[in-house]
Amino acid sequence: NAGVTQTPKFQVLKTGQSMTLQCAQDMNHEYMSWYRQDPGMGLRLIHYSVGAGITDQGEVPNGYNVSRSTTEDFPLRLLSAAPSQTSVYFCAPLGESAGEKLFFGSGTQLSVL
Amino acid sequence: GENVEQHPSTLSVQEGDSAVIKCTYSDSASNYFPWYKQELGKRPQLIIDIRSNVGEKKDQRIAVTLNKTAKHFSLHITETQPEDSAVYFCAARERSGGSYIPTFGRGTSLIVHP
Repeated sequence: NAGVTQTPKFQVLKTGQSMTLQCAQDMNHEYMSWYRQDPGMGLRLIHYSVGAGITDQGEVPNGYNVSRSTTEDFPLRLLSAAPSQTSVYFCAPLGESAGEKLFFGSGTQLSVL
Repeated sequence: GENVEQHPSTLSVQEGDSAVIKCTYSDSASNYFPWYKQELGKRPQLIIDIRSNVGEKKDQRIAVTLNKTAKHFSLHITETQPEDSAVYFCAARERSGGSYIPTFGRGTSLIVHP
């Protein structure tokens, strides 16, 4: 778990503001993902990446952009924050093999007012 | 894509009782089924997992069973303790475009009363 660092831990935004959630890893994971967690909804995939320069949409991509210019960094951007984006966000490496275990970064709690 | 249903959403037990949480999945191609425990304010932590070629797996007071034919898997916690109180998530993972994408259930809030 220590190999994936998320910043910030907490953030409060006003509607319409933009921000970037940072995810950095030093474990050379090719495959990375962003999930959001909402009460009663479980963890839902926003975007994922299978390598530098390659990203794809998950279940709930609207309102979010990602990029993967390097293997180490996988930032999540909110271009114009909305109250519906109030959530806890987790960055997580995805398994590259069937038995590889999925673990989560420490999370970012975001509130949009 | 995969769809994972998890029941119950809330489970209240007395200390020492057993707790069972059940999940069903839709995609027969899913081959890996992890369970996560999330304590308040913390990240989900993997507690046990099972692959599709295994029917049951145990780790002390925790066990997971898998029925591939019926496409359901369950988490069993015996001799529950107050520190077992948390939200538990199941997931089913399938291969998609070269990666293994997990789909999560909506979670079960387990409350263990002393």
